[in-house]
Amino acid sequence: GQQVMQIPQYQHVQEGEDFTTYCNSSTTLSNIQWYKQRPGGHPVFLIQLVKSGEVKKQKRLTFQFGEAKKNSSLHITATQTTDVGTYFCAGDAGGTSYGKLTFGQGTILTVHP
Amino acid sequence: SAVISQKPSRDICQRGTSLTIQCQVDSQVTMMFWYRQQPGQSLTLIATANQGSEATYESGFVIDKFPISRPNLTFSTLTVSNMSPEDSSIYLCSVRAGSPNTEAFFGQGTRLTVV
Repeated sequence: GQQVMQIPQYQHVQEGEDFTTYCNSSTTLSNIQWYKQRPGGHPVFLIQLVKSGEVKKQKRLTFQFGEAKKNSSLHITATQTTDVGTYFCAGDAGGTSYGKLTFGQGTILTVHP
Repeated sequence: SAVISQKPSRDICQRGTSLTIQCQVDSQVTMMFWYRQQPGQSLTLIATANQGSEATYESGFVIDKFPISRPNLTFSTLTVSNMSPEDSSIYLCSVRAGSPNTEAFFGQGTRLTVV
């Protein structure tokens, strides 16, 4: 079945440093989504990428979808303590997957003030 | 958007017993899913809850252990049956509205501890 690998598993940064997490799918995706989960909370949707090579920005966050629609990345510029949490990518294979999302392992981000 | 009410938020249960988790959505949604998440781990899909028919289970999950009901487009239940300590986890209800290319919304989760 479809697998989504995400690295790194953990990332510790000083406030103001940049952060990047990478996601790679074993199959071509219809779209990829990114979620943030704060400690003790539930996943919250950040963004969806659909087109090959797509780049989207949300303030300090930049999301990219690879040309082959199998990999993606999330980059945060100048991290803040409010960025703390676990970032998940989730791949949607489309078609007969009927809306199922396959989540990566997640990257736990710690920001030291 | 969709607002999901999931309950209970947490429970401590004796092994061998069963717990039913409820998921109520404030609007009709096409797709409802149940996930399991070990603390600090990723989300694993248990099953897709189908309205008016049997749920579709992922590999490693069976109906006898995780029976699911979905009587209408706004409500679903997941039962964790004959629990063992290995079932201790967070269980999350999730919905996607409209077409598949939409975001997923999650309930607050049910933190289950089996003793």
